[in-house]
Amino acid sequence: GIQVEQSPPDLILQEGANSTLRCNFSDSVNNLQWFHQNPWGQLINLFYIPSGTKQNGRLSATTVATERYSLLYISSSQTTDSGVYFCAVIRGSTLGRLYFGRGTQLTVWP
Amino acid sequence: NAGVMQNPRHLVRRRGQEARLRCSPMKGHSHVYWYRQLPEEGLKFMVYLQKENIIDESGMPKERFSAEFPKEGPSILRIQQVVRGDSAAYFCASSPGGSRMNTEAFFGQGTRLTVV
Repeated sequence: GIQVEQSPPDLILQEGANSTLRCNFSDSVNNLQWFHQNPWGQLINLFYIPSGTKQNGRLSATTVATERYSLLYISSSQTTDSGVYFCAVIRGSTLGRLYFGRGTQLTVWP
Repeated sequence: NAGVMQNPRHLVRRRGQEARLRCSPMKGHSHVYWYRQLPEEGLKFMVYLQKENIIDESGMPKERFSAEFPKEGPSILRIQQVVRGDSAAYFCASSPGGSRMNTEAFFGQGTRLTVV
């Protein structure tokens, strides 16, 4: 199957700092999603971004499909941003199945 | 996300019992997926279903696990004769499907299964 690698595995920030999370994937993909798993375990959709750049408030994401990576930017981080950020991709040959990375554990301190 | 409903949220079973996990997809979604999350790990695909059809079950353990998505009612993930290693969070996702196979998936809140 396709390999999805996320970095860094852990990130600790002071409130107000900016950060960049990276997702590399080993094969061409049809779609890519970013999720935030909050401390209660809920998976929240952040971006559906097979290519290009999108922004939503303090968060933005860029996917360069030809180079097989995606970046998630978090600006002016807040304590509520804490949790695990997952990248997940879909290959065309595997229908709607998502392949997940292992995530980046983000902790934001006040 | 709130549109995908899973129940129960928490389930405790003794070894050897059966566990039944339910998932109602978002309104208008006809594609359902089940994933399992073990502690400190990402989510692993288990099975992909459409109404009355199993499309891809390549991620399902060969024994004790089964899934269905009947014409009426929720999708069910069934685990027979549970063992401690089945303890995990089980997530259901749904997507619209249709002519485009690769569409955005939305997840339920998960069922946390604990086997004692």
